[in-house]
Amino acid sequence: GIQVEQSPPDLILQEGANSTLRCNFSDSVNNLQWFHQNPWGQLINLFYIPSGTKQNGRLSATTVATERYSLLYISSSQTTDSGVYFCAVEATDSWGKLQFGAGTQVVVTP
Amino acid sequence: AAGVIQSPRHLIKEKRETATLKCYPIPRHDTVYWYQQGPGQDPQFLISFYEKMQSDKGSIPDRFSAQQFSDYHSELNMSSLELGDSALYFCASSEDRLQETQYFGPGTRLLVL
Repeated sequence: GIQVEQSPPDLILQEGANSTLRCNFSDSVNNLQWFHQNPWGQLINLFYIPSGTKQNGRLSATTVATERYSLLYISSSQTTDSGVYFCAVEATDSWGKLQFGAGTQVVVTP
Repeated sequence: AAGVIQSPRHLIKEKRETATLKCYPIPRHDTVYWYQQGPGQDPQFLISFYEKMQSDKGSIPDRFSAQQFSDYHSELNMSSLELGDSALYFCASSEDRLQETQYFGPGTRLLVL
């Protein structure tokens, strides 16, 4: 099956700092989503981005499908950005099944 | 905006008991997915339904079964519960089963004692 690798596994940021999270995948995809899992366990959809670039407030994402990677940018981080960020992909033969990466644990300190 | 509803939010069961988790998708969403997230792990796909028919199956134990009803809500039935079934169970829905955003519910936290 498709492999999804996220880096770095852990990230500690000071409030106000910027950061980049990376997601590499091993095969062509129909779908790529970025999620934020908050400390209460809720999975919040950030972006649906199988290709191209999107921005939503302080967050933006870019997927280069031909090179099989996606980047999530967090700018001016806030303590509420803490949590685990997951990249999940739907392989072209998977009909909706999302394969998640192991996640990046982000801690933003005041 | 309406979101995916899951019930119950928390559930405590004894080993060998049975549990039923319910999921109500976003209105007009016809596809439902179930995922299991163990402690410290990423969510793992269990099963999906499109237009009330099973669409895809992942690593779902034979002790688990699921279905989607005529009103598109779905239920995950878990029998002969084991300690290892303790996890966060997510339901997600999408407007179609192909190349669509999956919206996740708040999850049901199951603890098996």
